[in-house]
Amino acid sequence: GAVVSQHPSWVICKSGTSVKIECRSLDFQATTMFWYRQFPKQSLMLMATSNEGSKATYEQGVEKDKFLINHASLTLSTLTVTSAHPEDSSFYICSARDRRRQNNQPQHFGDGTRLSIL
Amino acid sequence: GEDVEQSLFLSVREGDSSVINCTYTDSSSTYLYWYKQEPGAGLQLLTYIFSNMDMKQDQRLTVLLNKKDKHLSLRIADTQTGDSAIYFCAERGILSGGYNKLIFGAGTRLAVHP
Repeated sequence: GAVVSQHPSWVICKSGTSVKIECRSLDFQATTMFWYRQFPKQSLMLMATSNEGSKATYEQGVEKDKFLINHASLTLSTLTVTSAHPEDSSFYICSARDRRRQNNQPQHFGDGTRLSIL
Repeated sequence: GEDVEQSLFLSVREGDSSVINCTYTDSSSTYLYWYKQEPGAGLQLLTYIFSNMDMKQDQRLTVLLNKKDKHLSLRIADTQTGDSAIYFCAERGILSGGYNKLIFGAGTRLAVHP
């Protein structure tokens, strides 16, 4: 089946550090990738939609300068949390849409990255 | 607007059936999904149903869709301890750019006890 690899799975760093999270589709090409944020015991909140070769589309209230998204190839999207602060601590999950647009399973999810800012 | 609601917690005895309920607001949704999330992990697609269907069965899972009431349910037969997880209901909405996005409910935490 379709596999999405997310790396790292857990990162702890000091306040002010920038952190990059990678999302790779391993056995399919993804023209569209999605980045979500999940707070403890809450649902997934869509942050942005990443399209290969173009600028990401951010949801309302998400700072594009804070959360930099790059989708340089059909199998890789990155999310960089710039100058991270404790309030950025969260669980970040990516998903990828198969280029063949299988409507019955629109998104394949990674295992998430737990970001802890001290 | 688009909204998906679910009950937050369900506790069942091992071997019993579990029924997780969900309501949604967007009547134009074409696909509705159930995802499972285990602790510290991403989401795993369990099953989905197309909007012109009333029921779908897949091994221990049964999905019922009442389109008139915009109500979706997931029944897990013979619930096992390994079924303990958070279950998310999601509908497929449309982004302003034309790309499909998923709208998730808050998740139902299923606890299975002996």
